[in-house]
Amino acid sequence: QSVLTQPPSASGTPGQRVTISCSGSSSNIGSNYVYWYQQLPGTAPKLLIYRNNQRPSGVPDRFSGSKSGTSASLAISGLRSEDEADYYCAAWDDSLSGPWVFGGGTKLTVL
Amino acid sequence: EVQLVQSGAEVKKPGESLKISCKGSGYSFTSYWIGWVRQMPGKGLEWMGIIYPGDSDTRYSPSFQGQVTISADKSISTAYLQWSSLKASDTAMYYCARNPHYGDPHLDYWGQGTLVTVSS
Repeated sequence: QSVLTQPPSASGTPGQRVTISCSGSSSNIGSNYVYWYQQLPGTAPKLLIYRNNQRPSGVPDRFSGSKSGTSASLAISGLRSEDEADYYCAAWDDSLSGPWVFGGGTKLTVL
Repeated sequence: EVQLVQSGAEVKKPGESLKISCKGSGYSFTSYWIGWVRQMPGKGLEWMGIIYPGDSDTRYSPSFQGQVTISADKSISTAYLQWSSLKASDTAMYYCARNPHYGDPHLDYWGQGTLVTVSS
């Protein structure tokens, strides 16, 4: 059971906008930054969003992050087939579960 | 170019010891933390622990404290993850990743992963 809760799956068609949620608590998302990672099949994870809504150099602006209270979201607009991957959220956790916690991951399928 | 290159896949028997490595290049190895992340077959990411090669300050996830040892040799820009007695449940892919600031799970560069298989 992951400390951060994500839906196990999500899907969309090319060109669509999809969002992936990440639910936490006051000890993690509610008081700390949220990070998002993309893991393409058979590869190492890659940093996608840092500090809630910042994109590293090279990440397309189709990817955006937001946070409200104890939840966060990753939005992907103009969905492309190469976006099919697993997506993980992460945050610092101030409780005994931490200090770093990941969500269980969401498998995004592009139909 | 920042690179983290991990050692190759390992096949071990239960009870055996193992040390895998992660060599950094293209940046000041002693100025960034190196974290380790486990991914069991078909499962998600789990943070194991982290080390600051500059002074060997090491922190562990409560779930992995006492189960593994993280170390680093800054003279050769290499971090290590080791087990003294492997179990079948240690079968997983292990990733190292660079972290600029321990206070955030900000892993900006990742190694390619080391697959560890433990089987009798």
